Amino acid sequence: DAMVIQNPRYQVTQFGKPVTLSCSQTLNHNVMYWYQQKSSQAPKLLFHYYDKDFNNEADTPDNFQSRRPNTSFCFLDIRSPGLGDAAMYLCATSSFWGRLSPLHFGNGTRLTVT
Amino acid sequence: AQRVTQPEKLLSVFKGAPVELKCNYSYSGSPELFWYVQYSRQRLQLLLRHISRESIKGFTADLNKGETSFHLKKPFAQEEDSAMYYCALGVSGAGSYQLTFGKGTKLSVIP
Repeated sequence: DAMVIQNPRYQVTQFGKPVTLSCSQTLNHNVMYWYQQKSSQAPKLLFHYYDKDFNNEADTPDNFQSRRPNTSFCFLDIRSPGLGDAAMYLCATSSFWGRLSPLHFGNGTRLTVT
Repeated sequence: AQRVTQPEKLLSVFKGAPVELKCNYSYSGSPELFWYVQYSRQRLQLLLRHISRESIKGFTADLNKGETSFHLKKPFAQEEDSAMYYCALGVSGAGSYQLTFGKGTKLSVIP
């Protein structure tokens, strides 16, 4: 089945130690998104790629970076994780940029910062 | 700025009872609204969108621009409907498209 795959499912990192979360898709979708979801809160968009064009949300901290080396893969890099970055990180894709294209989500990576 | 409000964090209903999950939005333009659902241990997935005016798994949602609402309804709840439900608002801007989620409502259907 075509899908969005996030690895790992659970990630533990130390305060200040860089960490990378990965996302791959077999849907061949143009757009890939990274959302952060903290407990009991709404998923919050961090950034997205339309093909190779990177779009950062205005309030996304500089500590968060992303890479998309090809259509299938997208990475979320957290340069110096703080305790406040502990959250579920959701990767999603959509088939084209714009209206009414549904998002296809991965299972998420739950990040713990110790 | 756009905003989505789901006033109920948790909603418990008995099997067979009607369900209404509330969603209100704040947006000055023409909204595009969605309901996403997350079943236990599964990924977040699209349930329905307002433009389609469809019924999925017995759920419907009508956009009421006057009340800025997009409530999700089902006449008879089933146990398998227990899940987390998120209302989302899609907004197109200058070269961008953003999907804003509400905080979600956890629906628990009691057998």
